[in-house]
Amino acid sequence: GENVEQHPSTLSVQEGDSAVIKCTYSDSASNYFPWYKQELGKRPQLIIDIRSNVGEKKDQRIAVTLNKTAKHFSLHITETQPEDSAVYFCAASIVGPQGGSEKLVFGKGTKLTVNP
Amino acid sequence: ETGVTQTPRHLVMGMTNKKSLKCEQHLGHNAMYWYKQSAKKPLELMFVYSLEERVENNSVPSRFSPECPNSSHLFLHLHTLQPEDSALYLCASSQEGQGGDTQYFGPGTRLTVL
Repeated sequence: GENVEQHPSTLSVQEGDSAVIKCTYSDSASNYFPWYKQELGKRPQLIIDIRSNVGEKKDQRIAVTLNKTAKHFSLHITETQPEDSAVYFCAASIVGPQGGSEKLVFGKGTKLTVNP
Repeated sequence: ETGVTQTPRHLVMGMTNKKSLKCEQHLGHNAMYWYKQSAKKPLELMFVYSLEERVENNSVPSRFSPECPNSSHLFLHLHTLQPEDSALYLCASSQEGQGGDTQYFGPGTRLTVL
């Protein structure tokens, strides 16, 4: 089955610096790659996603890149702010045998701390 | 946010108790999920219900029993749990389709098994 590896497990940056989190996946059939942000004591929330037909997507200070050949995708946060501090999860989806129902497989998460 | 709600938010139970977790989604989605989130582990997919039919069970112990009476409600029935089952249980929903669909999470139920 699909296996998603996420690195680093913890990341500490100074406010204003950039942060990069990387994930690799094993199943070449995966075609959907969301990123979730989970603040302390709160539910995971989608912050950005990318589908396999594009290589990069950007939303203000957040961007995601996908390399299908190498089977890895990355989250980039620029001009980090203290409120970016959270645990970030990457995930990859697999289309089921009948062609529907995607099952997200998550990475282990990265705890990002942005120091003022 | 009221898209996906879960009750109770906190639950403490003994190993011999029987309890149920409830999830409700108000987004008109047709798929619902149960996840387990333990410390220092990735989110683990436990069950998926698509169009009210269970389509996957990732070898979860039988002491966890899901129920999906309709597309808006999902239950997780718990019995004779173990202390290692203590975790945050998250419900999510999505609109199933081709190419991947966003899952929306509930706030979770923090379960402690004594």
